[in-house]
Amino acid sequence: DTEVTQTPKHLVMGMTNKKSLKCEQHMGHRAMYWYKQKAKKPPELMFVYSYEKLSINESVPSRFSPECPNSSLLNLHLHALQPEDSALYLCASSPRSSGGAEETQYFGPGTRLLVL
Amino acid sequence: GNSVTQMEGPVTLSEEAFLTINCTYTATGYPSLFWYVQYPGEGLQLLLKATKADDKGSNKGFEATYRKETTSFHLEKGSVQVSDSAVYFCALSDLDNAGNMLTFGGGTRLMVKP
Repeated sequence: DTEVTQTPKHLVMGMTNKKSLKCEQHMGHRAMYWYKQKAKKPPELMFVYSYEKLSINESVPSRFSPECPNSSLLNLHLHALQPEDSALYLCASSPRSSGGAEETQYFGPGTRLLVL
Repeated sequence: GNSVTQMEGPVTLSEEAFLTINCTYTATGYPSLFWYVQYPGEGLQLLLKATKADDKGSNKGFEATYRKETTSFHLEKGSVQVSDSAVYFCALSDLDNAGNMLTFGGGTRLMVKP
């Protein structure tokens, strides 16, 4: 099973709203990722969690706030977003095994966000 | 730093035609190489991968060989179907202490006509 699930599938929010995106995996992976993808572009990395600790923040604005409550769950809290934040938000996970073994990232289906 | 270059699309083919999507990379270490496919309105799906030089990844009739001497990982399929219409991303991974970092190419849109 290589499934990563994301909810909701679609989200429309106003610039003053607070909402959260959820990502879940049950593959025992210890690294989880948030990406942002604009139309006709590759995904851009936002955050990386490794063993439930934030290890990479790619200079993402504070209106995006990640949270990793446990090894299976990853949330992205959204507050005071701008219309230019409208995009597909993708979650991914990878084993994060020790010893430098090859890592494969598995992606969820994404949440399509529209900010009005 | 690492980089991945893919041929620009769209690539338009008739059904049963032969497909090649070129991908070349620049990396400082010994990366793993991947092809991901994104169907309209969906997330990325892993199509195939190769972890070392001369490895061949294959899946669903698609193939790609990790060529270290030419720093390439070209995607091929002998006979495409309409259902193969999608965007294809070539990527490399570089594992460090912070995590597994993927570097993507720009993506190539494939359109297959009946």
